[in-house]
Amino acid sequence: ETGVTQSPTHLIKTRGQQVTLRCSSQSGHNTVSWYQQALGQGPQFIFQYYREEENGRGNFPPRFSGLQFPNYSSELNVNALELDDSALYLCASSPRGAGAPLHFGNGTRLTVT
Amino acid sequence: AQSVTQLGSHVSVSEGALVLLRCNYSSSVPPYLFWYVQYPNQGLQLLLKYTSAATLVKGINGFEAEFKKSETSFHLTKPSAHMSDAAEYFCAVSETGGYQKVTFGTGTKLQVIP
Repeated sequence: ETGVTQSPTHLIKTRGQQVTLRCSSQSGHNTVSWYQQALGQGPQFIFQYYREEENGRGNFPPRFSGLQFPNYSSELNVNALELDDSALYLCASSPRGAGAPLHFGNGTRLTVT
Repeated sequence: AQSVTQLGSHVSVSEGALVLLRCNYSSSVPPYLFWYVQYPNQGLQLLLKYTSAATLVKGINGFEAEFKKSETSFHLTKPSAHMSDAAEYFCAVSETGGYQKVTFGTGTKLQVIP
C-alpha cells in the first residue's frame, strides 16, 4: 500500500507571502489531519478534514486554511506568512474514528525569512 | 481538554540497558493513548496504541507500555536498548468526541550510549 506523501520537502518563503503544501493520503484512509511541529516541540494540531469538509480545528488563526479533494488528498494554505510559521508541517491520514492511529508523511520543512 | 505530560526531554541509556520513558495523561474518561517515534528528518511512526482491551500493550521493535489508571500513566519501556532506538519519542492522547484530534506531548529524545 502507498503511504502518506507530502510535497515539497523543503520550502523557503519571505514574510508576508503565501504558501501551499500538499499531501496524498494513504490508500483506504478518508481522514486527513495537519500538524505544525516547531523545532524541539511536539506536533500541534492545526485541523482535520473528512469528506472534503473541515471538522475540527486547533488554536490556529484563519490565515491557516485547507482543502480536501474527492480522492482524499489535501492541501494546507498559509497566508501572510510570519517568521513564527517556520516549522515542520506534518500531514497524517487515518480511517475515521477517535482511536484510529495516524499515519504520517515525512513533512514539509518551511522556513520563513 | 485532554493533555499528556512527558517527564524528561532527554534520556540517556547505555546499550543493553532498560529504557523507561515516562508519560502521564489527563482525562476524565478512559482515553486512547499512543506512543510514536520520530527519527531525524522523518514523520512520526506508531509504536503502540492503548484501546482498553489490555493494560499491557506490546508494540513494534520490542517496546511495550502499561496503562495505569490509578496513576494516569502510560510509560514506555524496552528491556534492552539498541543503538537504533536513538530517536525522539512522543506520547499522545486522542479525543473521544466528535472528531479525531490527537494531542501530543513535548517529546523525549532518547540517546543510546555504546
